[in-house]
Amino acid sequence: EVQLVQSGAEVKEPGESLQISCQGSGYLFRSYWIGWVRQTSGRGLDWMAIIYPDDSNIRYNPSFQGQVTISVDKSLNTAYLQWSSLKASDTAMYYCVRAFGGNSLGAADYMDVWGNGTTVTVS
Amino acid sequence: QSVLTQPPSASGTPGQRVTISCSGRFSNIGSSTVNWYQQVPGTAPRLLIYNSDQRPSGVRDRFSGSKSGTSASLAISGLQSEDEAAYFCTSWDYTLNGWVFGGGTKLTVL
Repeated sequence: EVQLVQSGAEVKEPGESLQISCQGSGYLFRSYWIGWVRQTSGRGLDWMAIIYPDDSNIRYNPSFQGQVTISVDKSLNTAYLQWSSLKASDTAMYYCVRAFGGNSLGAADYMDVWGNGTTVTVS
Repeated sequence: QSVLTQPPSASGTPGQRVTISCSGRFSNIGSSTVNWYQQVPGTAPRLLIYNSDQRPSGVRDRFSGSKSGTSASLAISGLQSEDEAAYFCTSWDYTLNGWVFGGGTKLTVL
């Protein structure tokens, strides 16, 4: 069974750093793009960033470029999302997602598997 | 404000057919396919429809999708209480070079 298992809920103060993780299993991890989606009650869903584990090719949503860092450890089948200085506005649910498609990300790809979500509270 | 436009709510009685719309632009729906997700409260979204009208294995054929121009629709026939959830549309946007989402439609089964 294809699964994405995320790290647990986090409560942080403004200005602190944070890294959340997402471990994939049941498929060839390095051959699928893996990314992050933010969900808030006020702004809905936003695609943030995505990475191709095999060559660490990265795409950012311009709205999140410079605000977060996406990375991956192929040996652990794990993707990460990192903040260097959290803000209250980063309070949200974060989902990791697998993109089904080829190694050149584009319109033919779609997010087929979602992680269980990580709640981040900054207060 | 979400890039794709969905009605915030929809409702129907058991057995009815309901449709949920998703409106976009040429840069997204007009040039790409649409995917739909179901999110039961407290759980992660689940892929319901991909490539505008394809169902993943395990998704009941009561769910169907269509696309025309810069709009798309999700239809649910034979409505059941278990269908009560939020439904989101998404599409690739060539301006963003990434995915954009609808604001979600909360479906209530009366």
